[in-house]
This record gives sequence, structure tokens and C-alpha cells, in this order.
Amino acid sequence: AAGVIQSPRHLIKEKRETATLKCYPIPRHDTVYWYQQGPGQDPQFLISFYEKMQSDKGSIPDRFSAQQFSDYHSELNMSSLELGDSALYFCASTELAGGQETQYFGPGTRLLVL
Amino acid sequence: KQEVTQIPAALSVPEGENLVLNCSFTDSAIYNLQWFRQDPGKGLTSLLLIQSSQREQTSGRLNASLDKSSGRSTLYIAASQPGDSATYLCAVKGGNQFYFGTGTSLTVIP
Repeated sequence: AAGVIQSPRHLIKEKRETATLKCYPIPRHDTVYWYQQGPGQDPQFLISFYEKMQSDKGSIPDRFSAQQFSDYHSELNMSSLELGDSALYFCASTELAGGQETQYFGPGTRLLVL
Repeated sequence: KQEVTQIPAALSVPEGENLVLNCSFTDSAIYNLQWFRQDPGKGLTSLLLIQSSQREQTSGRLNASLDKSSGRSTLYIAASQPGDSATYLCAVKGGNQFYFGTGTSLTVIP
């Protein structure tokens, strides 16, 4: 079965550079969530999209922006990168079936800011 | 704001033991609760999903219960195996967000 795809899997950037992370949800899933997981931390919610519209916003810095496109893939744009942005970035897509919403996570993008 | 806590933070058991992981949340107005497994440096694998109207879900050696009124969920793992070693996270859905717990790091000793 198709899973959530994230690219790139690994990314190394320097401070003040920009990065774009991509997420391709499972086909027919219309909701995407982005999470940031720092070393030894639990995943922190950043932002979510439903049907290409932002549905909720969490602890996402102003330097970050995201959008969901017509094909439902989503991109997280990160500018003026800081050392503290080094983390594992997950996206999850969800399906609503029988009144139940289950999250399916991608493998994550590991970002290292030097 | 919803706060999710997991106890214990770390657990080490010999192979074959049954064990219980705990998850508590502060706001009982949740839609569902999901248990995940995470291996080091890897993504999250969904184990069980419990709707707010349900009391428990079972999958193989795993059984998760939910007591919404008291803000608690437990994940019961029967006959633990070394392959069960991982970090276990619970997440609750409230509003449009999923809130994660701090995780329990489980080590099953052969």
C-alpha cells in the first residue's frame, strides 16, 4: 500500500539559508499535518491543511511557511535557518473512514543546520 | 491547552513479561487517541486508534484502553519480545490538532 512520502530524507544547510521540505500524502487523503521533533523530544505540531486550506496552526515560527497544492502535496518552507531548527520533520496524512481519523506518518526529513 | 504525559519515561523488562504503559491528558474533550511506536531515528508507526466513544482496541499482543472521563489511556503489551524495544508515544486529537505525549522508552531484555 502507498505510504506518505517525504523528500528529501536528509538535508544539511547552513545558518541563514532556506530549505524546502516536501510531503506527498497517501492518495485520497485530504489532510496534511506537519510536526517538528527535536532530539529527545516529542513531536510538536506546526501546521495543518485540509483541502488545500490551512486548518490549524501550532508552534510554527514566522520564518516558516507552508502550503498545500492542488494535488494535495504540501511544502514546508523554512527561511533564515537557525541552529535550533535542526530536527526531524514529519508530515502525516489522515483519512476519515467510518467516523475515525487515523494519522499515517511519513519517514521524516532530518534537517541539520550548521 | 491540552497536555499529554506518559509514565514511565523509560522501562526495562525481561523478555516474556506483560507490561503496561500509561498516558494521561488534561482535557477530556478529545476526538480520539492514537498509540504509536518509534524506533531510534525513524518515523512513527501507528499501533492502535481509539475513538472517544470507545473503551478499548486490540491488535495482536497489544491492547489499548481509554477512560476519557479520567483522562487516561493504557497500552498493554503481552508476552514482550526484544523486537518490542522502541519508544511508544500516545497522541490525542483535540480540535484540529494532535497532541503528543512525551513517550515511554521501552527496552525488552532477551
